[in-house]
Amino acid sequence: DQQVKQNSPSLSVQEGRISILNCDYTNSMFDYFLWYKKYPAEGPTFLISISSIKDKNEDGRFTVFLNKSAKHLSLHIVPSQPGDSAVYFCAASASFNKFYFGSGTKLNVKP
Amino acid sequence: GAVVSQHPSRVICKSGTSVKIECRSLDFQATTMFWYRQFPKQSLMLMATSNEGSKATYEQGVEKDKFLINHASLTLSTLTVTSAHPEDSSFYICSASGGGDYGYTFGSGTRLTVV
Repeated sequence: DQQVKQNSPSLSVQEGRISILNCDYTNSMFDYFLWYKKYPAEGPTFLISISSIKDKNEDGRFTVFLNKSAKHLSLHIVPSQPGDSAVYFCAASASFNKFYFGSGTKLNVKP
Repeated sequence: GAVVSQHPSRVICKSGTSVKIECRSLDFQATTMFWYRQFPKQSLMLMATSNEGSKATYEQGVEKDKFLINHASLTLSTLTVTSAHPEDSSFYICSASGGGDYGYTFGSGTRLTVV
């Protein structure tokens, strides 16, 4: 039973444009969410997080939006850069218990 | 910021031997450490959760006698793959948390190849 889903396995965006990565979850007890970025043969790198008491968190070019009623999470990257090309995972947890990861979305930012 | 060091980054071992992977929190005390395994084309799957000084809690389907986890101090957790077989070849990643809203920090991962 996959509690966190990323339905788009890949996304291609032109440099300078906005990248929007989506994530859906099923467990209403989830109260903390993370986005990670992963390059090949490396461990995930933390990008940005959001707790359920907020609906938006911004850090530089990265903004995460949380829609609790829809159980939907999105990561916006603007402007997108070629160095942003990687696989992005969303993850969710309930009260900092174990994290459940989505299957990832491969972002390709074209120069 | 919080840093987690994981070693080795790559290891090749013969079938039947054991391999130890270390996960160290360098600048914080990790009260909880998680061990994940990534299967091809799938997300990271949680294997076990360890709290310092207590036995690890394994996820369903994970053999605790095969994947030995030791969290003897607040800065070190180890995963030992015992009697490794080719099907154990995978990417193993640890993550550590100091609790509260600290967030989670991941190690850089270990690619294990059993030949």
